[in-house]
Amino acid sequence: ETGVTQSPTHLIKTRGQQVTLRCSSQSGHNTVSWYQQALGQGPQFIFQYYREEENGRGNFPPRFSGLQFPNYSSELNVNALELDDSALYLCASSRDLLWETQYFGPGTRLLVL
Amino acid sequence: AQTVTQSQPEMSVQEAETVTLSCTYDTSESNYYLFWYKQPPSRQMILVIRQEAYKQQNATENRFSVNFQKAAKSFSLKISDSQLGDTAMYFCAFMSPQGGSEKLVFGKGTKLTVNP
Repeated sequence: ETGVTQSPTHLIKTRGQQVTLRCSSQSGHNTVSWYQQALGQGPQFIFQYYREEENGRGNFPPRFSGLQFPNYSSELNVNALELDDSALYLCASSRDLLWETQYFGPGTRLLVL
Repeated sequence: AQTVTQSQPEMSVQEAETVTLSCTYDTSESNYYLFWYKQPPSRQMILVIRQEAYKQQNATENRFSVNFQKAAKSFSLKISDSQLGDTAMYFCAFMSPQGGSEKLVFGKGTKLTVNP
């Protein structure tokens, strides 16, 4: 069984640029959630996708957007990057919407200069 | 809104000893789920243990067990026979079926160091 994978592992961008982060779900999972983890903090929920539809969003501005593809992989897009967007971005997958455990990928470390 | 509080930013324990990490949460709901996740320095978040609020019995997973006090809204993690590999950040998290999305609400974490 393949676990959750994310790419790239590290990324450096400058303020105002756009970035796309990618996530492949664990085999058999059709729900993907994205979290932002600032340094020294717990992860914060960005949004969740279930069967290609957004299923809930946290307190993040519209410049944070996402997609889920038919194979249940997912993308997180951030436009007009700000310095405060520097963080570890975590993707987690789970099965259906049955309150099952979310399994996390290794994350993408984004640095905005 | 639900909140999760971990009041111990850092803790240390000697190898083979027992340590307890604290977590409290605030919710008005009766049905929810609680988790402890471990994030080693390599950063991948790993599930340690899960507790369903409707279950009175405390969850256990090998050396890891919880003390779930629903009335007090407390969910502590006990690690027995601590090992060097237990060194990590530990996050307590809450999930509720209300609102549709299965979002996890995390505490700020406790940094646990196991000393040889």
